[in-house]
Amino acid sequence: GAGVSQSPSNKVTEKGKDVELRCDPISGHTALYWYRQSLGQGLEFLIYFQGNSAPDKSGLPSDRFSAERTGGSVSTLTIQRTQQEDSAVYLCASSLRGGKETQYFGPGTRLLVL
Amino acid sequence: AQRVTQPEKLLSVFKGAPVELKCNYSYSGSPELFWYVQYSRQRLQLLLRHISRESIKGFTADLNKGETSFHLKKPFAQEEDSAMYYCALRSNNNDMRFGAGTRLTVKP
Repeated sequence: GAGVSQSPSNKVTEKGKDVELRCDPISGHTALYWYRQSLGQGLEFLIYFQGNSAPDKSGLPSDRFSAERTGGSVSTLTIQRTQQEDSAVYLCASSLRGGKETQYFGPGTRLLVL
Repeated sequence: AQRVTQPEKLLSVFKGAPVELKCNYSYSGSPELFWYVQYSRQRLQLLLRHISRESIKGFTADLNKGETSFHLKKPFAQEEDSAMYYCALRSNNNDMRFGAGTRLTVKP
């Protein structure tokens, strides 16, 4: 079956514009994670969805960042009024039930804010 | 809050030499530790986890609670081991935290 998919694969935007990044998890996976991978910064946790529970938003860097997960499947990460420091690769991962389950990563969306 | 530290951003060894990628963590609870790897132009993927006590591609990692470390080791590095390696910690409430990563280069 298909793995985690993300779109777009690359996004170039101008400072101040809003962007939406999409993640399609593996079918049946109830847990979904967003991370940011910046040069020299490693992987930064952003947000975690588990089933119908309230998401863990503790990693979101500012109120310009938000994420939704509709119907327990597809997730959208929205960055409002983008800044140059938002430039990074945004990774999505899913796992069967969260907890002890292995996370499977998508290919990422490379965002460049000019 | 949990924290994962990988002190080396870059590590270079010759083929056949032993390699050790360091990982230290801080967490007040009982941690679950992982190593993830990202080969060139591939997705990030799980390499191994401490609870499995397994050896994957010749790599092993032992959780040392006294030293709060989870170093990744391989006795004889291969060129195909060249990749970015991330140490990660999962807390009791399922939060995952990754280290900054170590880029390993194995030279011929």
